[in-house]
Amino acid sequence: QKEVEQNSGPLSVPEGAIASLNCTYSDRGSQSFFWYRQYSGKSPELIMSIYSNGDKEDGRFTAQLNKASQYVSLLIRDSQPSDSATYLCAVAEAGTALIFGKGTTLSVSS
Amino acid sequence: AAGVIQSPRHLIKEKRETATLKCYPIPRHDTVYWYQQGPGQDPQFLISFYEKMQSDKGSIPDRFSAQQFSDYHSELNMSSLELGDSALYFCASSLGAEGGDEQFFGPGTRLTVL
Repeated sequence: QKEVEQNSGPLSVPEGAIASLNCTYSDRGSQSFFWYRQYSGKSPELIMSIYSNGDKEDGRFTAQLNKASQYVSLLIRDSQPSDSATYLCAVAEAGTALIFGKGTTLSVSS
Repeated sequence: AAGVIQSPRHLIKEKRETATLKCYPIPRHDTVYWYQQGPGQDPQFLISFYEKMQSDKGSIPDRFSAQQFSDYHSELNMSSLELGDSALYFCASSLGAEGGDEQFFGPGTRLTVL
């Protein structure tokens, strides 16, 4: 059974702080790793994809991948109240369906 | 930029009725995925199509079927609806493994079965 694990939270951070979200996965054949943001009742929105070990930065977001440890993380710098949402970690073998974690709820207080 | 289109956005059905959900992928995307998300749950993969052929199957009930048409749009047909089928149904599209496998989600169809 392929599994993706995330802390459900809630993770609470003050505005302007760094939010750190973590995810582990069980399938060593996984090749593609994604972070989605989902507001309540809305669809998942892709915010980061990462395929190689190391860091990938895009604006305030940095994704980190460590395949040896089967670990993916997402850092959000200068967190804003509008970042308050559920963050879904998703993993896939190349070109296959996504396996999602149960999501981490982030709350950014102003 | 064009996004994934889903219709209808909301659907209310009675038990044992049928429902058809439609998905129009992003132009040039050849792969479509269907996901079901129950209340408080993560999205669960149902079925996918690549170039109009079924490419993978997940936890899709036998009461459900789907297909992808020549214009790449896809339809999810649901029969003998049950209360437990009430959920958000998302369609996602991608360019496929050759073109990058990022999946972009449509706004979803909220199905309520009474």
